[in-house]
Amino acid sequence: DADVTQTPRNRITKTGKRIMLECSQTKGHDRMYWYRQDPGLGLRLIYYSFDVKDINKGEISDGYSVSRQAQAKFSLSLESAIPNQTALYFCATSDFGEVDEQFFGPGTRLTVL
Amino acid sequence: GQNIDQPTEMTATEGAIVQINCTYQTSGFNGLFWYQQHAGEAPTFLSYNVLDGLEEKGRFSSFLSRSKGYSYLLLKELQMKDSASYLCAVTDSNYQLIWGAGTKLIIKP
Repeated sequence: DADVTQTPRNRITKTGKRIMLECSQTKGHDRMYWYRQDPGLGLRLIYYSFDVKDINKGEISDGYSVSRQAQAKFSLSLESAIPNQTALYFCATSDFGEVDEQFFGPGTRLTVL
Repeated sequence: GQNIDQPTEMTATEGAIVQINCTYQTSGFNGLFWYQQHAGEAPTFLSYNVLDGLEEKGRFSSFLSRSKGYSYLLLKELQMKDSASYLCAVTDSNYQLIWGAGTKLIIKP
């Protein structure tokens, strides 16, 4: 079984709709992240959480919100989707340590029409 | 501002050696990562450098010069499965990962 899972894997929605992307992990990591990836651009951080009670805005948080329901679950919401939120979304986890490498979920491809 | 530069695309031949460069300008430095990402898939960790010098791991090596704000990823004995994008990322003074746009590596037979 995958250590970091994301649902749904693909989603097509319309402008103005509320969308939730979910992320679950079985790695036991405290740190979780949401990124978006657009063609020709690097991964951009949307929100991150270092533990259940900790939520922090990343580089591009406008138009997004998150919820850390448990150590293992971190959800990303688009309250009112717009077409320029069409992108590939990745959840990642890491554990505080010497290297702090991030482990990524398989991604969610979101299309907003 | 914070910036990471890497070539957009490179082409190499199966069995050869290729070097992918990365230069960075960030507010502070707490380590540099290289990740591999196959098309449509998640990035996967390749290497980490925090001190100057070369880190070798099998066919892949990564080099860091902090004074020059420079790193490279060296891939030896290229295989077709090495066709992927290679992402350079730097941890800044706030321990945030700043990502480059990635280098798409095309391997030809």
